[in-house]
Amino acid sequence: GQNIDQPTEMTATEGAIVQINCTYQTSGFNGLFWYQQHAGEAPTFLSYNVLDGLEEKGRFSSFLSRSKGYSYLLLKELQMKDSASYLCAVREDNAGNMLTFGGGTRLMVKP
Amino acid sequence: KAGVTQTPRYLIKTRGQQVTLSCSPISGHRSVSWYQQTPGQGLQFLFEYFSETQRNKGNFPGRFSGRQFSNSRSEMNVSTLELGDSALYLCASSLAQGAGIQYFGAGTRLSVL
Repeated sequence: GQNIDQPTEMTATEGAIVQINCTYQTSGFNGLFWYQQHAGEAPTFLSYNVLDGLEEKGRFSSFLSRSKGYSYLLLKELQMKDSASYLCAVREDNAGNMLTFGGGTRLMVKP
Repeated sequence: KAGVTQTPRYLIKTRGQQVTLSCSPISGHRSVSWYQQTPGQGLQFLFEYFSETQRNKGNFPGRFSGRQFSNSRSEMNVSTLELGDSALYLCASSLAQGAGIQYFGAGTRLSVL
């Protein structure tokens, strides 16, 4: 099975940078995903990493180290609308599209 | 291009009843996965369908079942509802199995009284 850990809550200030960490243990790795979920809404895809390194997409970047079982999501120039839950999910080899999710990190952005 | 569509959005049932939820994937997507989201357990995988066949199944009792039609639309059924089945049920679609990105629908919020 898999174990995916991420902080439960984080608070940051508008305009700042925040890093949300995710650690995982898996027997066969086939990709790590980050989703954003606003309260009462569907998860929205943010980023996908399958190889080590940094993937940048606008204000959002995601990093992966497969040897360390570690990823982070970096949010720059925080805006109030970034207040949401951020979900880390891992896909295993030979498991089709089954994603195993961490518990999510609730980010609160304050003025 | 339309996203993943789930119907109904809200549902209220009583214990012992059964319920059927529907999911229409993004056009061209052939893989449909179902997830249950609760405050206590977070997002948990139920099952995945690809080419009308169940490919993977999560750790849920047999009361939870599903199927996929030739047009890739999928339904999930929960029989003999229990209070603990109250949750947000999310459907996600992907182009292929084991690859690509999953896109989620808005979900069906089921309340069991």
